[in-house]
Amino acid sequence: DTGVSQDPRHKITKRGQNVTFRCDPISEHNRLYWYRQTLGQGPEFLTYFQNEAQLEKSRLLSDRFSAERPKGSFSTLEIQRTEQGDSAMYLCASSPIEGTNEKLFFGSGTQLSVL
Amino acid sequence: AQSVAQPEDQVNVAEGNPLTVKCTYSVSGNPYLFWYVQYPNRGLQFLLKYITGDNLVKGSYGFEAEFNKSQTSFHLKKPSALVSDSALYFCASREVNNAGNMLTFGGGTRLMVKP
Repeated sequence: DTGVSQDPRHKITKRGQNVTFRCDPISEHNRLYWYRQTLGQGPEFLTYFQNEAQLEKSRLLSDRFSAERPKGSFSTLEIQRTEQGDSAMYLCASSPIEGTNEKLFFGSGTQLSVL
Repeated sequence: AQSVAQPEDQVNVAEGNPLTVKCTYSVSGNPYLFWYVQYPNRGLQFLLKYITGDNLVKGSYGFEAEFNKSQTSFHLKKPSALVSDSALYFCASREVNNAGNMLTFGGGTRLMVKP
């Protein structure tokens, strides 16, 4: 179990630029989640996949955000035309469907700073 | 809509003393409740969960939590705090009929254990 890994750890970008983050879940986990955490707040759900299917999207996920999990393994989260309000920690988590499915395994996150 | 509240931004306790981190929830029906801990530069880690059954649940690192339905609370406790317990603690809920296992988090409580 190598854990959930996220890349990059930090990203600094200028307003209006596009950014893409990657998440590699634990290999046998079917479910993959994206959360956003701003300073002093708890994580907020953005979207989740079961295998390659995106099954739920939060209202927080504006049209500028898109997430993919093309082969049911790693996932990418792209933000187009970034705004300063997008500055946050973007967390990825994974879980199996069966068994300990109430427990999420989180990565260390990607810290995005939009200047 | 479900919500989770953590009324204390920070809890200070001396090493060796008991600690309590408070959490209240608002969920339709019976909730699934969780505690996660976040250490600096690390992802959230699962501590414990309440699904059904005994109201007192035990988790990792000597932590326990008590589910109180009448008070809609799920306070985290530990009989004797360690300096290494200093971290950010998040309470979370999930509605029972939420097949996707999306969690709603509280705002977090910073626990400071002083020697």
